Amino acid sequence: KAGVTQTPRYLIKTRGQQVTLSCSPISGHRSVSWYQQTPGQGLQFLFEYFSETQRNKGNFPGRFSGRQFSNSRSEMNVSTLELGDSALYLCASSLGPRTIGGEQFFGPGTRLTVL
Amino acid sequence: AQKVTQAQTEISVVEKEDVTLDCVYETRDTTYYLFWYKQPPSGELVFLIRRNSFDEQNEISGRYSWNFQKSTSSFNFTITASQVVDSAVYFCALSEAGETSGSRLTFGEGTQLTVNP
Repeated sequence: KAGVTQTPRYLIKTRGQQVTLSCSPISGHRSVSWYQQTPGQGLQFLFEYFSETQRNKGNFPGRFSGRQFSNSRSEMNVSTLELGDSALYLCASSLGPRTIGGEQFFGPGTRLTVL
Repeated sequence: AQKVTQAQTEISVVEKEDVTLDCVYETRDTTYYLFWYKQPPSGELVFLIRRNSFDEQNEISGRYSWNFQKSTSSFNFTITASQVVDSAVYFCALSEAGETSGSRLTFGEGTQLTVNP
């Protein structure tokens, strides 16, 4: 069974630009969560999607948005990039939000650098 | 609000030593789940264990063992006879079972474990 895939793996952007990151969950998994990891703030929850609906959102500005498609693939978008958005963005998939406590499987992440 | 604290930022040991990583959590929910993840230099978070709040049994898996104590809100992780391949950042995480929590994980700050040969 293929794991969680994230594309691209590395990305370099400049301030003010926007970026779209993609995540394909494990086959059969319908819930996708996104996390931001930075040296200063650690691992922080961004949002969770299930059945194309945002189920939960972390404490991030509106510049961070996401969506989920009917095949469960998810994208997250960051507009008007700031230097502080430089981070490792991790995607996690699970069977669904009702499988509370279920394992979340993480992808390799997308390393975003904002110059 | 939920919180996870890993007070040990970095630990360095020599191969074959035993090492314990501490994790303390805070939550108002009576039903919750605790996790440990390993993050090697490649960056991907690798799931190690999940524990629910109603099961305080300690667990052993090979060289890994976990001690869950609700009375002290702790979920500590011990590696016995450490190996160089155990070098990684280890994260403790909490997931509440409340209606609005979904699958959201709250992570601790992580502990960088270095095992020297």
